[in-house]
Amino acid sequence: GAGVSQSPSNKVTEKGKDVELRCDPISGHTALYWYRQSLGQGLEFLIYFQGNSAPDKSGLPSDRFSAERTGGSVSTLTIQRTQQEDSAVYLCASSLEVGIYEQYFGPGTRLTVT
Amino acid sequence: QKEVEQNSGPLSVPEGAIASLNCTYSDRGSQSFFWYRQYSGKSPELIMFIYSNGDKEDGRFTAQLNKASQYVSLLIRDSQPSDSATYLCAVTLSGGYNKLIFGAGTRLAVHP
Repeated sequence: GAGVSQSPSNKVTEKGKDVELRCDPISGHTALYWYRQSLGQGLEFLIYFQGNSAPDKSGLPSDRFSAERTGGSVSTLTIQRTQQEDSAVYLCASSLEVGIYEQYFGPGTRLTVT
Repeated sequence: QKEVEQNSGPLSVPEGAIASLNCTYSDRGSQSFFWYRQYSGKSPELIMFIYSNGDKEDGRFTAQLNKASQYVSLLIRDSQPSDSATYLCAVTLSGGYNKLIFGAGTRLAVHP
């Protein structure tokens, strides 16, 4: 089956604009994660969704960041009033279910804020 | 102290040699350990995971876990130039959370 897909692959936006990034997990995977990788930095956890449970938002860097997951599948990460420090590759991953920890990553969205 | 530590490298090995990549972690309760390979400009690719003390082999890759020493390693046998990439160590924290904590990665260069 298909892997994790993300769109767009690249996004250039002006400072202050809002952006939406989309993730479609592997079919049948109930857990979905967002991470961020800044230039020269490691991967940073942002948010985790598991089924219908409340998401773990502990990694979101500010209240400008939000995410939702509709219907237990596709997820959208929204960044409001983008800042230059938001420039990074945003990676989505999914895993089969709770207790199955192997996460598989999508290709990422490279966000550039000018 | 960082939660997951790796030597940034580069680790340079000749083709055909064994590459040894090391990782230490701070959370004594961590239960799950992963190695991802990341080529430049690409996303991380899961290559090994290990949950129990000891060795786990898959083809040319062997993961080794020592929970008492809070140490996990990846051995790559018969290294190939195509193995040249950054290798990321990741662990899950105790408490049952699934989120991964990543090290900064070790850059491996395999030269012909």
